[in-house]
Amino acid sequence: AQSVTQLDSQVPVFEEAPVELRCNYSSSVSVYLFWYVQYPNQGLQLLLKYLSGSTLVKGINGFEAEFNKSQTSFHLRKPSVHISDTAEYFCAVVVIQGAQKLVFGQGTRLTINP
Amino acid sequence: KAGVTQTPRYLIKTRGQQVTLSCSPISGHRSVSWYQQTPGQGLQFLFEYFSETQRNKGNFPGRFSGRQFSNSRSEMNVSTLELGDSALYLCASSLGGSGHEQFFGPGTRLTVL
Repeated sequence: AQSVTQLDSQVPVFEEAPVELRCNYSSSVSVYLFWYVQYPNQGLQLLLKYLSGSTLVKGINGFEAEFNKSQTSFHLRKPSVHISDTAEYFCAVVVIQGAQKLVFGQGTRLTINP
Repeated sequence: KAGVTQTPRYLIKTRGQQVTLSCSPISGHRSVSWYQQTPGQGLQFLFEYFSETQRNKGNFPGRFSGRQFSNSRSEMNVSTLELGDSALYLCASSLGGSGHEQFFGPGTRLTVL
């Protein structure tokens, strides 16, 4: 079975500083990888996804992530954060060719301080 | 294009009651998935419906059930509610393949007293 580990439950950073949210996964079969963001009292919104091809994936709001197969990681990065990036971020995997069952990490709460 | 809608947005029930939550997917989407979100367990997959058939199921007791109608709208039912069922229930729709983006609704917040 697949599993996802988000190594940091909370990440505080100052505005305009860079940030990296870490995600590691384990799976016996090939997976697709996703990052979702959840703003307070809202559902989840897709930031970016890795299906195949280039291991560096660019998403919305200036976020990017790099797929590292040897380290089974999919870390999310942003070079300069804004107050509006304050939210909870979820890494997720789904089995290739399988049904639509997303397996989520526990989430990382990103807090931006002015 | 309208997004995924869920009704009701908030619900308060007492132990032992049952509840039905509704989800209307994005037009053209045939897959609807349900997730439970709690502070302790995080986001957990409940089940997925595709073209009116349950295609996958998570590890939840039989008190949790669902169905999908011919117009792809889906309902989720929880019978004999327990305090631990208090959660945000999220519905997501997609075109259907595992690589397709799932679009999430705002959720229904269920409180069991």
